Amino acid sequence: AQKVTQAQTEISVVEKEDVTLDCVYETRDTTYYLFWYKQPPSGELVFLIRRNSFDEQNEISGRYSWNFQKSTSSFNFTITASQVVDSAVYFCALSAESSGDKLTFGTGTRLAVRP
Amino acid sequence: EAQVTQNPRYLITVTGKKLTVTCSQNMNHEYMSWYRQDPGLGLRQIYYSMNVEVTDKGDVPEGYKVSRKEKRNFPLILESPSPNQTSLYFCASSLGGVTNEKLFFGSGTQLSVL
Repeated sequence: AQKVTQAQTEISVVEKEDVTLDCVYETRDTTYYLFWYKQPPSGELVFLIRRNSFDEQNEISGRYSWNFQKSTSSFNFTITASQVVDSAVYFCALSAESSGDKLTFGTGTRLAVRP
Repeated sequence: EAQVTQNPRYLITVTGKKLTVTCSQNMNHEYMSWYRQDPGLGLRQIYYSMNVEVTDKGDVPEGYKVSRKEKRNFPLILESPSPNQTSLYFCASSLGGVTNEKLFFGSGTQLSVL
């Protein structure tokens, strides 16, 4: 079985603050894939990043960065200098090798960035 | 333009009246999948398909059917809808499966079952 926990239901920050969205996953597989998706108020789902379990290097893309730590089964997402356009629901997701192509999402974190 | 197209965008129906939500992609993707999104529950996978005539159950398949007769289409069928199937539904596709590729999502179908 695979499971993703996003304990933060809602976060509210003021523009330009840094914010970290937590993601904790569970799987017995050694090969698995982790994802982050963004759902802005318009409703569509947008892919942000994919990471496999053998690549623990942290990744930075502009103001976005991801911290993958196998020791704590976490794949946290940080937005630096947040902007109003970052307001969205963010989903973390997991697919373990033994589950085939089943993709399990967390319950999402709603981020509100206030001007 | 590469896209996943779902129809209808909004649907209100009554309990027991069969309905189909269509999903079509124009990217020649092998993998297609259906999810439902409910408040507090995130997205949950209903069914997925790795190829024509190959479908598998996700986490919440009860009450749903799918078919994959053509590569581009993956309709979601509710033979006898019930109010607990009121939800926001998303279709998604990817080139070679969920583990190796990012998913492209449709715009969603808001279904209300009265």
